[in-house]
Formats: sequence, structure tokens, C-alpha cells
Amino acid sequence: NAGVTQTPKFQVLKTGQSMTLQCAQDMNHEYMSWYRQDPGMGLRLIHYSVGAGITDQGEVPNGYNVSRSTTEDFPLRLLSAAPSQTSVYFCASSYSWTGRQETQYFGPGTRLLVL
Amino acid sequence: AQSVTQLDSQVPVFEEAPVELRCNYSSSVSVYLFWYVQYPNQGLQLLLKYLSGSTLVKGINGFEAEFNKSQTSFHLRKPSVHISDTAEYFCAVRIIQGAQKLVFGQGTRLTINP
Repeated sequence: NAGVTQTPKFQVLKTGQSMTLQCAQDMNHEYMSWYRQDPGMGLRLIHYSVGAGITDQGEVPNGYNVSRSTTEDFPLRLLSAAPSQTSVYFCASSYSWTGRQETQYFGPGTRLLVL
Repeated sequence: AQSVTQLDSQVPVFEEAPVELRCNYSSSVSVYLFWYVQYPNQGLQLLLKYLSGSTLVKGINGFEAEFNKSQTSFHLRKPSVHISDTAEYFCAVRIIQGAQKLVFGQGTRLTINP
């Protein structure tokens, strides 16, 4: 298994540009989520999905869109990038969305710089 | 809502010395507790978790943590650290009912000096 993969690793955008951060997992996981990591603030939940076709907002959803058309993929879209979205983005997944024993597996991250 | 506070942003220690990374949480409902480690330029990896039962939890790489309900704390400890333990450590909680939405602390950067 490749686990949780994210592309690209690095990206530089200009203010107002759009882009999609890709996340895929090959473990047949039901639950997928996106976090952003900023210095001194830990990781904050952006959006999450409990299955194909079902998504919901996390703590900091503004400026981001998601969709989940397949179990494997959970892309994060920035429609009009802003400097405040400069961050490291992590995708995570787990087998069940409510399971007591579930462990979330994290991808390697995407570093995004918005100029 | 839940919140997590990691009391130290940076902790420098010498190799083979003991270390404690402190974590306090706030929640009006019961939670599960986690410690994750992030090595440089990598994603997060689960160190250990407390779900129920014994309040002393053992994890990977010789780490352990103790859940203290009365003090709402979940401090991470290791009796003897190695250079390879240099990393950032995150404490996190999630509520027992509902989706697995993790709430993270700010992180503690552990630096091991030879």
C-alpha cells in the first residue's frame, strides 16, 4: 500500500490564482480530512468526509472547497488564493469515521506559498 | 468545544536525559487523547493514544503518557532521549461520540543536544 499520498509537494501561487491539492489513499478508508499547519497554531481541521458524496466543514473552512466523488480521492480546492492561505496542508484518513480504535494516517504534506 | 494547550513551545534536553512534554485539555464531554510526532519535513505519526482503562499508556519509541482526569492533563514522557527523538510533538483530542475530528495543540519542538 502507498498509504496516503499528496501532490504536489510544493507550490507557489500568486494572489487570486486557483489550484487543487490532491489527496489519495489506497487503504479503502471511509474517513478523510484536510488540515492546515501554521507555526504556533498546531493543525486545524479545514474539511472532512465520512464517505463518498458526504463532506462537512471543520474549524477553518473559508476559502476552501472539497468534494468526494470516490472513496480514494479527496481533493482540496482553493478558488482564489490569498496570502493568508500560505501554510502546510496535510491530508489524513482512517478506516472508520467513528471507530473507537481508529488511527488517522497522515500524508507527507503540501507546502503552499501564496505571494 | 474542545481545546488543547501544550505548555512549552520548545524543549531542549541533553541526550540520555529524561523529558516531559506537557499537555492540558479542556472539554465538556469525554474525549480520547493522542500524541503525534512529526519528524522534519514529514507527516504526522501516531505515538500513542488513550481510549480508556489504565491511565498510563505506552507508545512507540519508548514514550509513555499518563492521563490525569482531575487535572485534565496528558503529559508525554521518556526516561532517556536520543538524538533521533528530535522532532515536533503534538497533543490532540477528539470527542468520543461522532466523527473523528481531531483538535490539536500548538506543538512542542523537542531538540536533543549531544
